[in-house]
Amino acid sequence: DAKTTQPNSMESNEEEPVHLPCNHSTISGTDYIHWYRQLPSQGPEYVIHGLTSNVNNRMASLAIAEDRKSSTLILHRATLRDAAVYYCILRDVIGSNYQLIWGAGTKLIIKP
Amino acid sequence: GAGVSQSPSNKVTEKGKDVELRCDPISGHTALYWYRQSLGQGLEFLIYFQGNSAPDKSGLPSDRFSAERTGGSVSTLTIQRTQQEDSAVYLCASSLVNEAFFGQGTRLTVV
Repeated sequence: DAKTTQPNSMESNEEEPVHLPCNHSTISGTDYIHWYRQLPSQGPEYVIHGLTSNVNNRMASLAIAEDRKSSTLILHRATLRDAAVYYCILRDVIGSNYQLIWGAGTKLIIKP
Repeated sequence: GAGVSQSPSNKVTEKGKDVELRCDPISGHTALYWYRQSLGQGLEFLIYFQGNSAPDKSGLPSDRFSAERTGGSVSTLTIQRTQQEDSAVYLCASSLVNEAFFGQGTRLTVV
């Protein structure tokens, strides 16, 4: 299974942009890149996903490298509510198994 | 319901007893996942259902763990003869195509 590598933790100031990196050098052509986040004492929640092109939604933006071996989740203006563990996950959509393989994630700390 | 519902939210059980955890997925979602998460750790995959069948049971840690799904809806995860190392938060998620929706989890404590 393709794996992802993320920094263990990152700090950012409130109201500033945050760039969360993810390396996935063994990604296959049919793997989508998904991001989830988990707030303290809650289940994970979906943030965004993409295949090749950059993606934007109301929560964040996803920038995908041209070779697809890395991606960056961008929070444009971090708030204290964005403090969470962010997970970068690859999901194969060709096979019948849509299993999500989770790494340790990046703990994002927001300083007021 | 509006989201994935899990019950109970908390369960304390004595070592050696059996426990049953329940997951009500979002109506119409064909895929259902069970994960477990120990304190401060990432999610550990347990089992995945597509409809009522489980094409991937590779994550079940031992034969004490079993899961079933009936009517393509509710799923139960059963742990027999619980051990202290089974203590964790058990998370259920359901999905239709891309986005997976998670419940709040069941916190299991084996004493």
